[in-house]
Formats: sequence, C-alpha cells, structure tokens
Amino acid sequence: QKEVEQNSGPLSVPEGAIASLNCTYSDRGSQSFFWYRQYSGKSPELIMFIYSNGDKEDGRFTAQLNKASQYVSLLIRDSQPSDSATYLCAVSGGSTLGRLYFGRGTQLTVWP
Amino acid sequence: DGGITQSPKYLFRKEGQNVTLSCEQNLNHDAMYWYRQDPGQGLRLIYYSQIVNDFQKGDIAEGYSVSREKKESFPLTVTSAQKNPTAFYLCASSILGAINSGANVLTFGAGSRLTVL
Repeated sequence: QKEVEQNSGPLSVPEGAIASLNCTYSDRGSQSFFWYRQYSGKSPELIMFIYSNGDKEDGRFTAQLNKASQYVSLLIRDSQPSDSATYLCAVSGGSTLGRLYFGRGTQLTVWP
Repeated sequence: DGGITQSPKYLFRKEGQNVTLSCEQNLNHDAMYWYRQDPGQGLRLIYYSQIVNDFQKGDIAEGYSVSREKKESFPLTVTSAQKNPTAFYLCASSILGAINSGANVLTFGAGSRLTVL
C-alpha cells in the first residue's frame, strides 16, 4: 500500500504570512507530485505539479521536491483569507499512468 | 466550455437500492476515474478506465460497478452490497502521457453527494 502522509492541521496563519504545507510519501518509484486545493463542499482544483528535485514557482506558490528524502512541500507566500481551504498532496502510482494516491489533506486557515 | 459534468449533485438512497452516478466529459481525455471522499479523509480510488470497454479496480471497488461504453462517459453504480455508501463521490479525467509531464493531471467534476436514509 502506497502511503502519502500530510500534517492534518489545522494550520492557522495571519494574512500576509508564509504558509508551509508538508507531505511525505512511501513509494520511491513515484515520479510526479501534485498539490490540489479543495474548498469546503467543492471538488479539488490543481494548484501545481512538480517532478524534478528542487523548487518550482508559480505566482505566490512554490512547490519543493526532495526525492531522496521522499518529501514534497508547498509554500504559500503573502497568504490571503481566500487561501483558506484544505490542501491535498497527491503522488503518482508507479507504472500505472494517471494513477494518483492522495494524502488526507491539511486544513489551512488564514485570518485577517 | 470543456469540462466534466457529474449528476445528480445530491442523491438520497434507501437501504437495499442501487443508484447510478453519471459522469460525462467533453475534454477528449483518455482516462477516467471515480474517487470517494469521506469527512476528514483523502480521496480513495474506486475504479479507473484508461480506454473504452476496459476498466480496473482501485483500492475500494467492493460494492461498486462501472462501465465505459463511450470515451465521454463513465457511470458509477453504487450497489446494495456497499455497506456504507454515504460519501462525496468525485469523477475525474486525464490525458495519459509520459510520467514526467503534465499529461496526467486530474481534472475533477463538481462531485455527487450520496446519503443513505
């Protein structure tokens, strides 16, 4: 069974701060990593994906991947109240194209 | 607009009934998926299909059935054998491609919330 672990939170940060979300995974064969945002009662929406070691930036979001440590993180700079949501980490499932394994999510609250 | 349409949005089932959730996509995606989400839980894969007339069991397929007769459609039936079907059901699709590309990004429908009375 492939495990994807996330801090369940909740994580609470003030507006304008950096929010740091962490994810570890068990399968060393995983090659693609995804961060989804899910608002309460809604479906997940993609924030970004990463597959190379290092950092990938997209606006206020930065994904960081360390395959040796089996660790992927998401940083949200200048956090806004609209960023309050649950963030899901997803990891590719080896040889099956498209097969993803999800963590339980980290609930983030950004207070004004 | 391209996207995934799930229906119904809310569904109530009595004990012993089978119900079918609809999922239609006009994105021309190869693969389609059904996930189940329970409160405070991540998404768990029920079934997936990479090609028409073929599908594979995911991690929690017991009590569910699917069909893939058309590329655009992947309905999910929740049978009476599923003992705890109350959950949020999410259909997704993706283009299949090289592992290290954006081709395997999942696009989700709005979801169907099933409640057993």
